[in-house]
Amino acid sequence: EDQVTQSPEALRLQEGESSSLNCSYTVSGLRGLFWYRQDPGKGPEFLFTLYSAGEEKEKERLKATLTKKESFLHITAPKPEDSATYLCAVPIPTSGTYKYIFGTGTRLKVLA
Amino acid sequence: DADVTQTPRNRITKTGKRIMLECSQTKGHDRMYWYRQDPGLGLRLIYYSFDVKDINKGEISDGYSVSRQAQAKFSLSLESAIPNQTALYFCATSDPDYYNEQFFGPGTRLTVL
Repeated sequence: EDQVTQSPEALRLQEGESSSLNCSYTVSGLRGLFWYRQDPGKGPEFLFTLYSAGEEKEKERLKATLTKKESFLHITAPKPEDSATYLCAVPIPTSGTYKYIFGTGTRLKVLA
Repeated sequence: DADVTQTPRNRITKTGKRIMLECSQTKGHDRMYWYRQDPGLGLRLIYYSFDVKDINKGEISDGYSVSRQAQAKFSLSLESAIPNQTALYFCATSDPDYYNEQFFGPGTRLTVL
C-alpha cells in the first residue's frame, strides 16, 4: 500500500538549534516528493520538489534531501518564524492519472 | 489578490443542512482538488477535477458532491451535513503537466453541530 509517514509528530527547538524532519515513503516508482509549510489557519505553501535520490534543494535555513526510501528537511539555526507544520506529499498513479498522498505533518515550534 | 480563494472562510451549520463551499482560482490551472484536514489524519482527498468535464472521486467522497462550473471554479457540497464532517477544507490547483506542486487556498473551517 502506498504510504507516507512523517516523524516526529511534533518538535520543539531552541532558536539556533538545528535539527531534521523525516518523511518516509513506500510507493512504487517515485515520481517526486513535495515539501510544504503550513501556518496555523492557512493553506499549505509549497517549499520544494525533489525528483530523484541524491537530489538536494535549499531555501534560506531549509535544506531538503532525498534517498530511495525517505526525505529529510534539515533546518539550520532555526528562528521563531520557522515555527509551522511541515508536510510532505508524493504523487501516486491512479486510473491512468495521478493523485497526491500527504503525510500527517511535523509541527515545529522554535522558541526564542 | 490571492490566486486561490475560498468562500466562506468559516461556517457553522446544523446537522442535516445543505452546505456549499466555493473555490475560485486565477492561476489558469486545469487541475483542481478538494481536501479535508483533520488533526492527526493529515490532508485527505475528497474530489479532484482535471478539466471541466472530468471529475473524479478521491479517497473520502461519501457524503460530498462537487461541481466544476468553469475552469476557474470548483464547488464542494455537503448535501446533508453531519457532525463528523466538521473539519478544515482546502481547495488546491496545479499545473496540467504531471507532478507539479499544488497551490492551496486559505481554507474553510466548517463546524457541523
